[in-house]
Amino acid sequence: DAKTTQPNSMESNEEEPVHLPCNHSTISGTDYIHWYRQLPSQGPEYVIHGLTSNVNNRMASLAIAEDRKSSTLILHRATLRDAAVYYCIPHSNTGNQFYFGTGTSLTVIP
Amino acid sequence: EPEVTQTPSHQVTQMGQEVILRCVPISNHLYFYWYRQILGQKVEFLVSFYNNEISEKSEIFDDQFSVERPDGSNFTLKIRSTKLEDSAMYFCASSAGGHSNQPQHFGDGTRLSIL
Repeated sequence: DAKTTQPNSMESNEEEPVHLPCNHSTISGTDYIHWYRQLPSQGPEYVIHGLTSNVNNRMASLAIAEDRKSSTLILHRATLRDAAVYYCIPHSNTGNQFYFGTGTSLTVIP
Repeated sequence: EPEVTQTPSHQVTQMGQEVILRCVPISNHLYFYWYRQILGQKVEFLVSFYNNEISEKSEIFDDQFSVERPDGSNFTLKIRSTKLEDSAMYFCASSAGGHSNQPQHFGDGTRLSIL
């Protein structure tokens, strides 16, 4: 699976947008880009995924670069409940497992 | 919204004892997984299970580990003779399919403490 690079940590003010970047320059053409988050003392929670086009759901938006070597998770209005570790995971068809990196720890400041 | 449930939330066991961790996946899902997370470390894949057999396993999943789907709803992870280094959070997950566009849905885990 593709190697990913994410900032170790980010901060955001409450009710402001947050852009969480991820580089996945070795991604292959059929890998979907998944984003998960893990709140303290909880299991990973699915946020969003996409292949080429930008995607929106009730939790977030996913912007995928045209060359697919990077993507950005967008939280439109950060809340205190969004404080978590966010993982970007390119997922291939060659295996079932998700490879979790160290992710980005998001702190939301009231 | 359907969810994956895991029991118990916390299990304390003496080293060398057998332990069984239980999971109820989302009801119409066909693929099942176990991951673990040692305190302060990454989430690591252990095993995937489909059509009543293991489809993939990691190096961590040695002969001390086994998985089973004993009935139509439960999915279990057994550790035959626990070691101190088995202390971790164990997460069960399930997905509707095995394709790369299928998200996996995780439970909130069982904290396993080996004494």
